[in-house]
Amino acid sequence: GENVEQHPSTLSVQEGDSAVIKCTYSDSASNYFPWYKQELGKRPQLIIDIRSNVGEKKDQRIAVTLNKTAKHFSLHITETQPEDSAVYFCAASIRADGLTFGKGTHLIIQP
Amino acid sequence: GAVVSQHPSRVICKSGTSVKIECRSLDFQATTMFWYRQFPKKSLMLMATSNEGSKATYEQGVEKDKFLINHASLTLSTLTVTSAHPEDSSFYICSATDYNTHNEQFFGPGTRLTVL
Repeated sequence: GENVEQHPSTLSVQEGDSAVIKCTYSDSASNYFPWYKQELGKRPQLIIDIRSNVGEKKDQRIAVTLNKTAKHFSLHITETQPEDSAVYFCAASIRADGLTFGKGTHLIIQP
Repeated sequence: GAVVSQHPSRVICKSGTSVKIECRSLDFQATTMFWYRQFPKKSLMLMATSNEGSKATYEQGVEKDKFLINHASLTLSTLTVTSAHPEDSSFYICSATDYNTHNEQFFGPGTRLTVL
């Protein structure tokens, strides 16, 4: 089955700086790659997603890049703000199958 | 749109009892629902995939006789944890999708299960 690796497990950045979280996946058939933000005790919140026919997608301060050849995708957050502090998960799936999640990254924005 | 609810949000039960968790898509018909489990400070793990009107597909290592899943309609799936034990204590989250969402899954708010 699919295996998703996520790094780093913890990331601390100064407010205003950029944050980058990286994931790799194992199954070349995966074609859907969402990123979620989860606050303690809450449901995962989709922040951006990308499909395998696209290499990059941007939504204001958030961007995702996908390298299908290398089987990795990354989340980029620019101009970080205190409210960006949370746990972020990458995930991968094949078509409409269930999601395989990475282990998560605890992002800490230092004031 | 695309709202998914779960009930109950929190449940505490005694060891050996069964607990039923409901997952509802409120404003769309969910052809597929998924059940995930999340232990404290861990990631979400897919337990099973549920399609309306058919038997659920369980992930490797998930006991189908312990975690009973029923998807009787396009808006409701239930997960029953049978003979619950303390090690079943976890955060259970469902998600729903349909043909129009292009793979995007809409998550319920989760159910915190504590087995004493």
